[in-house]
Amino acid sequence: AQTVTQSQPEMSVQEAETVTLSCTYDTSESDYYLFWYKQPPSRQMILVIRQEAYKQQNATENRFSVNFQKAAKSFSLKISDSQLGDAAMYFCAYRSPFSGGGADGLTFGKGTHLIIQP
Amino acid sequence: DAGVTQSPTHLIKTRGQQVTLRCSPKSGHDTVSWYQQALGQGPQFIFQYYEEEERQRGNFPDRFSGHQFPNYSSELNVNALLLGDSALYLCASSSYTSGRTGELFFGEGSRLTVL
Repeated sequence: AQTVTQSQPEMSVQEAETVTLSCTYDTSESDYYLFWYKQPPSRQMILVIRQEAYKQQNATENRFSVNFQKAAKSFSLKISDSQLGDAAMYFCAYRSPFSGGGADGLTFGKGTHLIIQP
Repeated sequence: DAGVTQSPTHLIKTRGQQVTLRCSPKSGHDTVSWYQQALGQGPQFIFQYYEEEERQRGNFPDRFSGHQFPNYSSELNVNALLLGDSALYLCASSSYTSGRTGELFFGEGSRLTVL
């Protein structure tokens, strides 16, 4: 079974600074999807960014980018120019390869609580 | 365009009781997945429904069951509640044809407390 590990229970960053959240995973599969989700106090999980394992180029979405190291099974999230609205729980998630349709179940890490200091 | 809606938002039950949680998927979506998120933990996959059938299931006992209706809405039922079932239950919807590339849209969850 796949596992996802987030070793930082909590991170704090000054507004406008850059912060990196770490994630490692364990899998024997060669093709898969990785995700970062944000969960603010409203509880609704929101997709931040996704990475396809067969793509070597790191995904980027505005101020959010990832550093995907497939051999090391590492998938970190970098948030540039941090804003107060970025404060939330951030979860790293893994999805197994397509096996017949639909969106297969995600395996989540335990999350990192990101605090933005004004 | 309404997103994923869940009801109720909060509920309290006692051990041994049964509970039903409801979910309406985002417009245009036909697949519903359920997750359990215990306090301080990441969500855990319970099961997924498509075409009114359970398509995939996580490591949860048979006390957890579900249903999907012709309008794609879904219910999660938990029987013989245990204290450990206290959690936030999240519903997520997607389009089956999008396969694994499809983004999951989550609701705000139902907070279940078992006393």
